Amino acid sequence: SQQGEEDPQALSIQEGENATMNCSYKTSINNLQWYRQNSGRGLVHLILIRSNEREKHSGRLRVTLDTSKKSSSLLITASRAADTASYFCASRMDSSYKLIFGSGTRLLVRP
Amino acid sequence: EAGVAQSPRYKIIEKRQSVAFWCNPISGHATLYWYQQILGQGPKLLIQFQNNGVVDDSQLPKDRFSAERLKGVDSTLKIQPAKLEDSAVYLCASTWGFEAFFGQGTRLTVV
Repeated sequence: SQQGEEDPQALSIQEGENATMNCSYKTSINNLQWYRQNSGRGLVHLILIRSNEREKHSGRLRVTLDTSKKSSSLLITASRAADTASYFCASRMDSSYKLIFGSGTRLLVRP
Repeated sequence: EAGVAQSPRYKIIEKRQSVAFWCNPISGHATLYWYQQILGQGPKLLIQFQNNGVVDDSQLPKDRFSAERLKGVDSTLKIQPAKLEDSAVYLCASTWGFEAFFGQGTRLTVV
């Protein structure tokens, strides 16, 4: 399969806690992106990290990238009930414009 | 700025029937993707267009699926004949830079 893997597959936390999800990909990349999908809706872009970057922040989001391990992590700090969604990493391949998604992490934030 | 438009939103057909989905990307976006998302999984890339040319269709089941992008703008994805395992959400996305913008998707149920 082209797709990368994400873990955990599902995560349930209390509001205010931090949520960490991990992603592994298979080929060399130009950049790695994270998307959110609310139930029954399209995907929304959250953050992008380039292959020459190791860490990036955007609001309550922190992304890390380890190209030697072909892995990335997304940290959501001080989670809110509204963060309940599925989160997907997507790797943008080096040699083309292909955007390949992982299997996703379903996050439930309990009020 | 208008988003990516897809229609129909929902479609129910019997197996062996044909179906077509339509996508209107964001104006000026050269790259257009079609993804298939089966319930509980990540989006799987079916085909990628750059303007009106196919960049990648390696995951498209060409015996039953076809897609075109006329004049480098609108795109249609067709399935003929449909199978039960084609039940999924079909997502269209377009990009100008790195970030992909997704439509709401078409939920196909094959009975």
